[in-house]
Amino acid sequence: QVQLVQSGAEVKKPGSSVKVSCKASGDTFTSYAISWVRQAPGQGLEWMGGIIPIFGAPNYAQKFQGRLTINADASTRSVYMDLSSLRSEDAAVYYCAGHTGKEVYYGMDVWGQGTTVTVSS
Amino acid sequence: QSALTQPASVSGSPGQSITISCTGTSSDVGGYNLVSWYQQHPGKAPKLMIYDVNRRPSGISNRFSGSKSGNTASLTISGLQAEDEAEYYCASYAGSNTLVFGGGTQLSVL
Repeated sequence: QVQLVQSGAEVKKPGSSVKVSCKASGDTFTSYAISWVRQAPGQGLEWMGGIIPIFGAPNYAQKFQGRLTINADASTRSVYMDLSSLRSEDAAVYYCAGHTGKEVYYGMDVWGQGTTVTVSS
Repeated sequence: QSALTQPASVSGSPGQSITISCTGTSSDVGGYNLVSWYQQHPGKAPKLMIYDVNRRPSGISNRFSGSKSGNTASLTISGLQAEDEAEYYCASYAGSNTLVFGGGTQLSVL
């Protein structure tokens, strides 16, 4: 069973960037799509974007175009989420999630533990 | 990409059945048989309950079922149990390798 382990909590200033990592265990890292989903305090889930590690080409929700970068490093079995120009409303728990297949339209059956990002001056 | 529409809350008594709706458009829910449902307990990561509209992952109780008609998908939970009390989210493929979530529905088991 694949497990996803995320990097630790971050505190960032408005206008800065944050980079969160998601490391996959197991040998099937490149075989499944991985998405980033965030959840602001007391709010719902929001899909940010996803990547198919074996292909390396990410896709982003329109809302995050130009501010979000997702990439994968097969050598470390890790996927990274980099969000720039942070504002207070970006404060949230950020999850990486593994899909059951190579495309993001497959269900997400493996989730990281979540990384809390705080944005404060 | 607008969020899918779910009722804010539903409730039921133990043993009863409830249904949660998830309404989108022909560009997402109505355009693909690629709707999934997630259960989330407070402070926990979401858990996949249904995928491809009506398929259950291994280990998920057959009390959970999904369906779709037009632009609206539904999650039905039968034989409600106390542990089913949680937030439920639908998600749909929206084309161009993108996904969209619903706003979430709080299920209370009275």
